[in-house]
Amino acid sequence: GQNIDQPTEMTATEGAIVQINCTYQTSGFNGLFWYQQHAGEAPTFLSYNVLDGLEEKGRFSSFLSRSKGYSYLLLKELQMKDSASYLCAVLDSNYQLIWGAGTKLIIKP
Amino acid sequence: GAVVSQHPSRVICKSGTSVKIECRSLDFQATTMFWYRQFPKQSLMLMATSNEGSKATYEQGVEKDKFLINHASLTLSTLTVTSAHPEDSSFYICSARDGGTAETQYFGPGTRLLVL
Repeated sequence: GQNIDQPTEMTATEGAIVQINCTYQTSGFNGLFWYQQHAGEAPTFLSYNVLDGLEEKGRFSSFLSRSKGYSYLLLKELQMKDSASYLCAVLDSNYQLIWGAGTKLIIKP
Repeated sequence: GAVVSQHPSRVICKSGTSVKIECRSLDFQATTMFWYRQFPKQSLMLMATSNEGSKATYEQGVEKDKFLINHASLTLSTLTVTSAHPEDSSFYICSARDGGTAETQYFGPGTRLLVL
């Protein structure tokens, strides 16, 4: 079966750095997405990785290792507004998006 | 770019009525749109994939006669919840795929449905 694993919840301090991991087992791979979802709102696109390596976009970076079936989202200089759920999703061989359950990130002052 | 709108944002209706939700891609053409449902504190659940000009593909367990999907143009898809019941109360979110930008799905703001 297809499976996406990410931690249910993480806590971090304002100004610090946090890394949210995602491991996947899917039938084929056509890219991995990270989305941010604030409570009561729809997800917003953060990043897309299809090749191995690190993609940096401001305070957020996303890393992919296809051989390990592993990705992480790195958030630097954390702000209170970063408190949200972070969803990992993989596009499988049928171009279906397989969603993880999301990681709820709690930022403390 | 890549803006998706959804209307209405919030709807309250009586049990047994039908509710139509519109999803529009504002600045790109979306040959494929997706409809999701999300219950409180749960992950997104894909209901159906909507392709312009053809019938929608429904996920297992989703009743196609209850959740009618129409994708009549490259910028508009509609979801109609027919004969809604309280258990249909949920957050319905559409997304659209801009095929020109790496298969990324962009989400509408969602529609919160409450069936009394």
